[in-house]
Amino acid sequence: DAKTTQPPSMDCAEGRAANLPCNHSTISGNEYVYWYRQIHSQGPQYIIHGLKNNETNEMASLIITEDRKSSTLILPHATLRDTAVYYCIVRVEYQGGKLIFGQGTELSVKP
Amino acid sequence: GAVVSQHPSWVICKSGTSVKIECRSLDFQATTMFWYRQFPKQSLMLMATSNEGSKATYEQGVEKDKFLINHASLTLSTLTVTSAHPEDSSFYICSADLNTEAFFGQGTRLTVV
Repeated sequence: DAKTTQPPSMDCAEGRAANLPCNHSTISGNEYVYWYRQIHSQGPQYIIHGLKNNETNEMASLIITEDRKSSTLILPHATLRDTAVYYCIVRVEYQGGKLIFGQGTELSVKP
Repeated sequence: GAVVSQHPSWVICKSGTSVKIECRSLDFQATTMFWYRQFPKQSLMLMATSNEGSKATYEQGVEKDKFLINHASLTLSTLTVTSAHPEDSSFYICSADLNTEAFFGQGTRLTVV
């Protein structure tokens, strides 16, 4: 079973920040938080991952709470092309680790 | 980033026939690849872990004799759906790891009629 819970859906206005929450209260000390997204009928796309420090890349920012039991993915300026299902996954960071997907959050960016 | 390619992107087959789906890592070697299945409006479900040079590891409830996996080289894994039935119609996706990141193929839409 997936170790994360996410709201099933969210809306966001184009140009505004999209904040997607994720709960992972049973995360282990050696598990990272990964975020992927899946645009309709495509394979998932990697967004970002982190252990305990906040992370930022060209796509998004990841904020992890101090107790590591929850995190938030932030898309700073959402566009219509960001409409997708976003998956939060916890995983040990080593090569060959399988990903267990939860139900994800369906983000709809509206004009 | 690294590229994982699946072929075909979509396939329609008759009930009772077998279908082979290929997953290739185009610019890196992958000793392990993963196969997922996704039904409409549902999340990805891990089916099996494909290991180069050895037997695949199947998740609980996945029939290994129905979903044959071969990982004969460091860049190619194949999934064969044998004796396909309409309930096998689904979106099949593979992935491979490079360093700490998983790269996914574009998926294969299988329709069994």
